[in-house]
Amino acid sequence: GAVVSQHPSRVICKSGTSVKIECRSLDFQATTMFWYRQFPKQSLMLMATSNEGSKATYEQGVEKDKFLINHASLTLSTLTVTSAHPEDSSFYICSASKDIYEQYFGPGTRLTVT
Amino acid sequence: SQQGEEDPQALSIQEGENATMNCSYKTSINNLQWYRQNSGRGLVHLILIRSNEREKHSGRLRVTLDTSKKSSSLLITASRAADTASYFCATGVGETSGSRLTFGEGTQLTVNP
Repeated sequence: GAVVSQHPSRVICKSGTSVKIECRSLDFQATTMFWYRQFPKQSLMLMATSNEGSKATYEQGVEKDKFLINHASLTLSTLTVTSAHPEDSSFYICSASKDIYEQYFGPGTRLTVT
Repeated sequence: SQQGEEDPQALSIQEGENATMNCSYKTSINNLQWYRQNSGRGLVHLILIRSNEREKHSGRLRVTLDTSKKSSSLLITASRAADTASYFCATGVGETSGSRLTFGEGTQLTVNP
């Protein structure tokens, strides 16, 4: 149990366009979902925390108007990168939490902006 | 800034040897977790140790936590080539399911067959 999926796994888009990434908890209800970004050979940086039905809480330095997060249900959160630029190219990972301590991570989405 | 600092940044060993990775953190924590990441993939949860625990085992993994020194170590015994991956520590400070995790910089482990 505790499987988290992400879609798409890879996406290439042109500069200026928007891209939506989905994160789903497949076999449990996630009260909280998290979005991370990881640049090559670096650690995960938390971007935002998302609770179902409420606005996401963004980390310092993360532009909420650029990275739109929607947590529509207890099993789905979406991250939309608006007006993407090459510097937004990165590996985006979501996680979902159903209990006090543990987060379950998705397989990640590789975004390349050309 | 990142809470956790890990050392070494990279570790290369021979199959069968033990691998030890260290993690230090700066603020008080509720728990510390270790994750593994294969190249270009998601994270796999390895083990969680709570702030009131000092040592925990899971198969070939042994984790220690020293809250007085704000440090933790992950020991992988009898390593295998399949253990090659990046290993991250992550600290949690909250009590609820909304607990944020702060990740360390990671250690790239290479196990040579």
